[in-house]
Order: sequence, then C-alpha cells, then structure tokens
Amino acid sequence: GDSVTQMEGPVTLSEEAFLTINCTYTATGYPSLFWYVQYPGEGLQLLLKATKADDKGSNKGFEATYRKETTSFHLEKGSVQVSDSAVYFCALRGGETSGSRLTFGEGTQLTVNP
Amino acid sequence: DTGVSQDPRHKITKRGQNVTFRCDPISEHNRLYWYRQTLGQGPEFLTYFQNEAQLEKSRLLSDRFSAERPKGSFSTLEIQRTEQGDSAMYLCASSFGPFYGYTFGSGTRLTVV
Repeated sequence: GDSVTQMEGPVTLSEEAFLTINCTYTATGYPSLFWYVQYPGEGLQLLLKATKADDKGSNKGFEATYRKETTSFHLEKGSVQVSDSAVYFCALRGGETSGSRLTFGEGTQLTVNP
Repeated sequence: DTGVSQDPRHKITKRGQNVTFRCDPISEHNRLYWYRQTLGQGPEFLTYFQNEAQLEKSRLLSDRFSAERPKGSFSTLEIQRTEQGDSAMYLCASSFGPFYGYTFGSGTRLTVV
C-alpha cells in the first residue's frame, strides 16, 4: 500500500541555518504530497502542498518540490528561526491505495536554538 | 467560523471504562476524518464520513470503536472497554471535498490508567 518515509530525527539547528528534511514515498497512481507542521499541544497545520510532478509548494520560507523520478518531496528552508521548532510530517493523498485519506510519515522533530 | 473543535482536550479514564469524544467540523465541510496519533508517530487513519455516511474504516478500528455523524454535522467517536493501548491523541479533521485540504482540530488526548 501507500507509504511515506521521513528522515530520522530529531534535528537540531542553530538559528539562520539551512534546513532539509528528507521525505520519500511509495504510491501507485498520481498522489498529491503535503507537509504538515505540529506545534506542541496543537493539531496539525498544512504547511505546503504539491499536486503533480515538478510542482513546487512554498509557504513561510519553506519549499518542497514533487520529484516523481526519485519519489521524493524534501522540505527545505534557507534560514530557520527559533519559532520553526516543531514536528514536521510529510504526507500523501490520492494514491490508488489511500484514496482521499492522508497517509503520514512518522514525523521529524526540529529544534532551532538561538 | 472558528475551525475544527474537539472536546474534551484531555481525558483520563480507568481501564475498562467507556469514553466518547466529540468533533465539530467547519460548517460547510462535508467530509470528516478521525485519526489516532501515538507518541513519536505520525497520525494513523481510523475512519471518515461524507455527510452522515461512514465511507471507510481502518482495520485499526476494532469492534470496541464506533463513530457516528448523525446529521452530517458533528461527529462522535466512542471507545468501549478502554485498554491501555488506546492511550493516544485522537485527531479530527474536515474538508470541503475529497481533493481539498484538511483542517485539523487540536485533538483529544486520552490516557487510560
């Protein structure tokens, strides 16, 4: 079935460092890909999405490009802030197995130190 | 509209008791989803509704779990005879349709002691 694999965490960076969180997926069909962020004690918030190959999603300085050839959707940010500390989840929807429900990766904890 | 609301935020119960959670979606959203998230893991799909119809249930949803959405508005998730393994965050989300983004609630954290 459909699945998402994220890089193991936790990730600890200094403020203004470059961030990459790797995400790869397995799915048949033409899934849409998402990054969600979860701050402590809160629900998940949609950070960005891409609905087809070569699309780039972007929001709040974060970017991710849908790479069908490598089945990847890596999250990047050029300069992280302390306020970016959270758990980040990669997810897919619309694969032939998952249909309209979201399938999540295991999450990556990011801590940004001042 | 204040988004997706879940009640209660926290629930502590003794093993063997029944618990019920409520989710109020965004009013114009016809799809409602329940997920379960354990510590250090991503959310796992439990079930979803389109209006009042329950269209899919995960194998994770044992016979002790039941979900309803009686009038296509709010939904309830009931767990009967709770077990310690049921301790988790239960997340509700809603969407306008199958290909629109989800809006998640803040979740209900269940602790079974």
